[in-house]
Amino acid sequence: EAGVTQSPTHLIKTRGQQATLRCSPISGHTSVYWYQQALGLGLQFLLWYDEGEERNRGNFPPRFSGRQFPNYSSELNVNALELEDSALYLCASSRTSGRSYNEQFFGPGTRLTVL
Amino acid sequence: DQQVKQNSPSLSVQEGRISILNCDYTNSMFDYFLWYKKYPAEGPTFLISISSIKDKNEDGRFTVFLNKSAKHLSLHIVPSQPGDSAVYFCAASLYGGATNKLIFGTGTLLAVQP
Repeated sequence: EAGVTQSPTHLIKTRGQQATLRCSPISGHTSVYWYQQALGLGLQFLLWYDEGEERNRGNFPPRFSGRQFPNYSSELNVNALELEDSALYLCASSRTSGRSYNEQFFGPGTRLTVL
Repeated sequence: DQQVKQNSPSLSVQEGRISILNCDYTNSMFDYFLWYKKYPAEGPTFLISISSIKDKNEDGRFTVFLNKSAKHLSLHIVPSQPGDSAVYFCAASLYGGATNKLIFGTGTLLAVQP
């Protein structure tokens, strides 16, 4: 079974530009989560998509947005990039959440560097 | 406000000895706790979890202990092996519903010396 895949592996942008990060969940998983791991910090929850809809959002500004496609893959868009957006962005997927916790499986991440 | 805290950024242990990684939390509503292991250039991988209705869960060399009154959990690795060297994150979850997100600690770098 293929794991969660993310692209690109590395992304270098300049301040003010937009970045688009992509994630493909494990087959059969309908929930996709995005986390940010900035230097020296733990993983910070960004967004949760399930069945194509945004279900929950972390404490991040609106310039962090995303979507989930009918095939359950997902995109994270970061507009008006700032230097502090430099971080490892991790995507995770799980079976549909329902009313019980479902284990989240993580991808290898996209390293975003903002110059 | 860091709801899940790992106060030790690093830990060094001799091979064969016990590794104890600690985690504290502040939100008494958390009812599911997990440990993830992360190698460089890889995503975190699930290690072991515990529900708040239990105080211990064991899986091979890994045991997680939960002390709800102290809002503290710990991961014991016995015996430690060089391959266990990685960053360990504890995470907490509010069970189900609209808050199905993981709150992570900042991680502890475990180095197991041969």
